[in-house]
Amino acid sequence: AIQMTQSPSSLSASVGDRVTITCRASQGISNDLGWYQQTPGKAPKLLIYGASSLQSGVPSRFSGSGSGTDFTLTVSSLHPEDFATYYCLQSYNFPWTFGQGTKVEIK
Amino acid sequence: EVQLVESGGGLVQPGGSLRLSCEASGFTVSNNYMSWVRQAPGKGLEWVSVIYSGGSTYNADSVRGRFTLSRDNSKNTLYLQMNSLRAEDTAVYYCARDDLDYWGQGTLVTVSS
Repeated sequence: AIQMTQSPSSLSASVGDRVTITCRASQGISNDLGWYQQTPGKAPKLLIYGASSLQSGVPSRFSGSGSGTDFTLTVSSLHPEDFATYYCLQSYNFPWTFGQGTKVEIK
Repeated sequence: EVQLVESGGGLVQPGGSLRLSCEASGFTVSNNYMSWVRQAPGKGLEWVSVIYSGGSTYNADSVRGRFTLSRDNSKNTLYLQMNSLRAEDTAVYYCARDDLDYWGQGTLVTVSS
C-alpha cells in the first residue's frame, strides 16, 4: 500500500499567519491527491482535489500544489474557523490511504 | 441538495455482525462511486471500501473478507455489511461520494463485550 506521510503532525499558528502542510507519498501518485479539513465532531470536508483544484465553495485562501510524490496545502492567511485537522488522501490506487493528519492549533 | 444519511450503528459483541445504511438524496448513487471511511476514537481517517457505478468493489486489507459493500438502486441507498467484527473495528463510519466531496454525518459502531 502507498504510504502518505504528512508533516508536521501539529503546528501552532496565529490568525493571519500563512501555513503550509506537506504530504509525501511513498511512490508516485500523479496528481491523485485530495486535502480534507475536519473539525471536532464533524465529518471531513473536501478542500482540494486533483492536488491543486479548489473545491466549489472553499475560500481562495486555500491552495494546493504538487505532483508525483510531494504535495503541499497552503492557507495564505489563517482565519479562526481554519483551526482544525487536515488530512491528505491518495486515490491513485487501492487501497486509498490517508496521511496521519496535521492539527492546526491556535498559538 | 446532496445529502447522505448513515444509520445502523450501535453496540455489537466481538464476532457479531452489523449492517450500515447510507441513504442518499440529491443525486443517484448508481451513477457515482461511493465509499465508506472510518475513524476510530481519537484517531485519523481510514478508507474502508468503495463501490463503482458498474458494481465493482474494493476493500481495505483490514476488512477484506469480512465487510461487503452493496447498494439498492431503488432505494438510492448504500450498505456496508460487517461480519466477524473485532474490537479494532470500533469507529465512526462515514459514507462519502466520488472524490469524497460529500460526506454523511457518520454512525458509531462499538464492538465490545
